[in-house]
Amino acid sequence: EAGVAQSPRYKIIEKRQSVAFWCNPISGHATLYWYQQILGQGPKLLIQFQNNGVVDDSQLPKDRFSAERLKGVDSTLKIQPAKLEDSAVYLCASSSGDSSAGELFFGEGSRLTVL
Amino acid sequence: SQQGEEDPQALSIQEGENATMNCSYKTSINNLQWYRQNSGRGLVHLILIRSNEREKHSGRLRVTLDTSKKSSSLLITASRAADTASYFCATDTSGTYKYIFGTGTRLKVLA
Repeated sequence: EAGVAQSPRYKIIEKRQSVAFWCNPISGHATLYWYQQILGQGPKLLIQFQNNGVVDDSQLPKDRFSAERLKGVDSTLKIQPAKLEDSAVYLCASSSGDSSAGELFFGEGSRLTVL
Repeated sequence: SQQGEEDPQALSIQEGENATMNCSYKTSINNLQWYRQNSGRGLVHLILIRSNEREKHSGRLRVTLDTSKKSSSLLITASRAADTASYFCATDTSGTYKYIFGTGTRLKVLA
């Protein structure tokens, strides 16, 4: 079974530029998450999708961050314009959403450096 | 916002010793999970414990849950150098599989 795929793995941009991250979850997984992990901290939930609908985006800075999940499969997270404090690893995770499960499968992450 | 807080923040032990890390959380949960993260990598699921369970085992891992104290502990027995990683607890409080992660414990196992 293929895992969660993310790209790019690394991105360096200047502040005020824009960036987009892509995630392809495990086939058949209904739930998709984007987390932000700043160095030395735990992952912070940005947005949770169930199929192509948003379950929770209360921690997403909507003035600069946006996310979509196309046809309930792939997802894109965009930052525009980027700030220095956006430097972090952006982790995508998926889950079957089955009440008997609950395990999250993570991708390797996309590391963003904002200069 | 962080729901869980792991303790200690960092732990250094010798190979073969046991490692215990704790997670305290603030609000009632449906279930709690533990994850491992090797440096520069994604997180890997270790074990899930539901709110009506008190203890679970998986190989060298033992997890306990005390809902009255809003805390959980992860015990790794007979630790190995390969166990060196950060360990996080994650809680689902709403029943909608919205998982909030704690601050993590950095474990270093010395060979």
